[in-house]
Amino acid sequence: GAGVSQSPSNKVTEKGKDVELRCDPISGHTALYWYRQSLGQGLEFLIYFQGNSAPDKSGLPSDRFSAERTGGSVSTLTIQRTQQEDSAVYLCASSLDGREEPGELFFGEGSRLTVL
Amino acid sequence: AQSVTQLDSQVPVFEEAPVELRCNYSSSVSVYLFWYVQYPNQGLQLLLKYLSGSTLVKGINGFEAEFNKSQTSFHLRKPSVHISDTAEYFCAVLDTGGFKTIFGAGTRLFVKA
Repeated sequence: GAGVSQSPSNKVTEKGKDVELRCDPISGHTALYWYRQSLGQGLEFLIYFQGNSAPDKSGLPSDRFSAERTGGSVSTLTIQRTQQEDSAVYLCASSLDGREEPGELFFGEGSRLTVL
Repeated sequence: AQSVTQLDSQVPVFEEAPVELRCNYSSSVSVYLFWYVQYPNQGLQLLLKYLSGSTLVKGINGFEAEFNKSQTSFHLRKPSVHISDTAEYFCAVLDTGGFKTIFGAGTRLFVKA
């Protein structure tokens, strides 16, 4: 089917506002990842969902960040009380199974967040 | 914990010249290794991967990489680059049995005419 879809592609917000970023993974993919890509830096792991298991949230940088995955499909990354340092491209990736096909991640085009 | 170091942030090269993008990793366990490519205004896509077996891995667009366990390296090479290879290249590592793929900071390859 279609690839990983992310929305919005661009988001400009004011400091202190909340934002929601959405990811629609490839149909049938059970594993879903969020990464953050900041200028001049690599991809920073944020969170991982695998099926109905509890997510691995070890990469979330603060308690202002949270993510949900409803029905094992669409995921929403929420950033509360945004700060300027949150400005980055947020990338979502999915895979068939994080364990069966190691590391074959399919990425969306990202959501570029700018916090003024 | 694993980590990935890409030694060059930018690599300028003339068209048809060879190129090597360097990647070193650290991990306490055995690993899988990957190179991803991000073309301008596009998402990342898998270029090649090493899971097991032959240490020389061939990928798309004429790229190849060699896994060197003793040097903990996985350098990416292409004998003759094209303008269309201009992109950012990310090396990544995954512990076998794990799920958290760790990426390097990326190397921006500029191919000049």
